[in-house]
Amino acid sequence: GAVVSQHPSWVICKSGTSVKIECRSLDFQATTMFWYRQFPKQSLMLMATSNEGSKATYEQGVEKDKFLINHASLTLSTLTVTSAHPEDSSFYICSALDRGGGNTIYFGEGSWLTVV
Amino acid sequence: GENVEQHPSTLSVQEGDSAVIKCTYSDSASNYFPWYKQELGKGPQLIIDIRSNVGEKKDQRIAVTLNKTAKHFSLHITETQPEDSAVYFCAATYNFNKFYFGSGTKLNVKP
Repeated sequence: GAVVSQHPSWVICKSGTSVKIECRSLDFQATTMFWYRQFPKQSLMLMATSNEGSKATYEQGVEKDKFLINHASLTLSTLTVTSAHPEDSSFYICSALDRGGGNTIYFGEGSWLTVV
Repeated sequence: GENVEQHPSTLSVQEGDSAVIKCTYSDSASNYFPWYKQELGKGPQLIIDIRSNVGEKKDQRIAVTLNKTAKHFSLHITETQPEDSAVYFCAATYNFNKFYFGSGTKLNVKP
């Protein structure tokens, strides 16, 4: 079946630095990808919708200058956490919409970010 | 916007028993309802989905029912096994523009 790959699966960075997380659709083209943040024992919180070739649409309360999203190709979207702080530590998950596959959403395996 | 509520938040069953998780949604325009299984430290995995033109769908031990009039849909797992233990999320969307997730149900299947 379709696979969405997310990299890195876990990352530790120093406070004040930036970190990039990649989301790739491996066997289908994804014009739309979604980025979520998940806190322990909680549901997925949608951060932004990433559309290939255009600006991402951010949910209310999500700082677009802090969470930079780029969807430069039909198979890759990136989330960059800029000037990371310990409170940005979280589990970040992407998903990709396979329109050619009957409009099905597939999730990546998630990326654990720890800011120290 | 859409509001999805999910119950129960935790569910403990004996191996071999059935488990049922229910979700309600508020937006009658929603037309796609997937269910995801999430194991600790991993991303959600799609286990079954249903579209608004169908009332029920089954895949081996897993089934989903949809009642559009009442705006609720349910996940049914029969003959539960310990490996079914995980957190399950329901979601609703209209034309895949945004997915609204339920709060999750932690299922524990006791051997």
